[in-house]
Amino acid sequence: GEDVEQSLFLSVREGDSSVINCTYTDSSSTYLYWYKQEPGAGLQLLTYIFSNMDMKQDQRLTVLLNKKDKHLSLRIADTQTGDSAIYFCAVPKSGYNKLIFGAGTRLAVHP
Amino acid sequence: DAGITQSPRHKVTETGTPVTLRCHQTENHRYMYWYRQDPGHGLRLIHYSYGVKDTDKGEVSDGYSVSRSKTEDFLLTLESATSSQTSVYFCAITPGGSGTEAFFGQGTRLTVV
Repeated sequence: GEDVEQSLFLSVREGDSSVINCTYTDSSSTYLYWYKQEPGAGLQLLTYIFSNMDMKQDQRLTVLLNKKDKHLSLRIADTQTGDSAIYFCAVPKSGYNKLIFGAGTRLAVHP
Repeated sequence: DAGITQSPRHKVTETGTPVTLRCHQTENHRYMYWYRQDPGHGLRLIHYSYGVKDTDKGEVSDGYSVSRSKTEDFLLTLESATSSQTSVYFCAITPGGSGTEAFFGQGTRLTVV
């Protein structure tokens, strides 16, 4: 299977919480990342978590890491229309000089 | 702004023609990467470089070559473009070293007709 997997689409109502999930098969012991891509733009780093942490909170964003299950999630509280974008998780591949990206989850926020 | 410039931003080319995309950085970072983005596949690594004249293949390198004769420029060449290479191409750098936070260019939208 793919090294990094994400569901492709998520639809939420404005004001609700969004949870985007990511599973991976292999990772070096460093940082794991979440990127955001708005239409017509490149990827921007949204947040990250170090591999020895279980949780990181940054304003409306909460990242959870379950190393045993190789599962990473991004929770966006009080989701707004401006949060509509594609979200990518990225994991450094052990032994290689590169980040491996998931396919991206398209978040659609509706009124 | 991580000082990454991609050129051209858009290009339409015919099948069988050679195409070169340029990535230019202003910060003299060692690691540079070329990705392609396709619906349902996310970003897939084509080639990367860890220094001048030091390059290696990524997961989808067939049909592509790269060159890095100067620290600031990383060129991606499609020797003979095919329709399957229609994609959006992103250049990235990792100032912190390999496998660290990546900064991306704005992308090049390539259409092969």
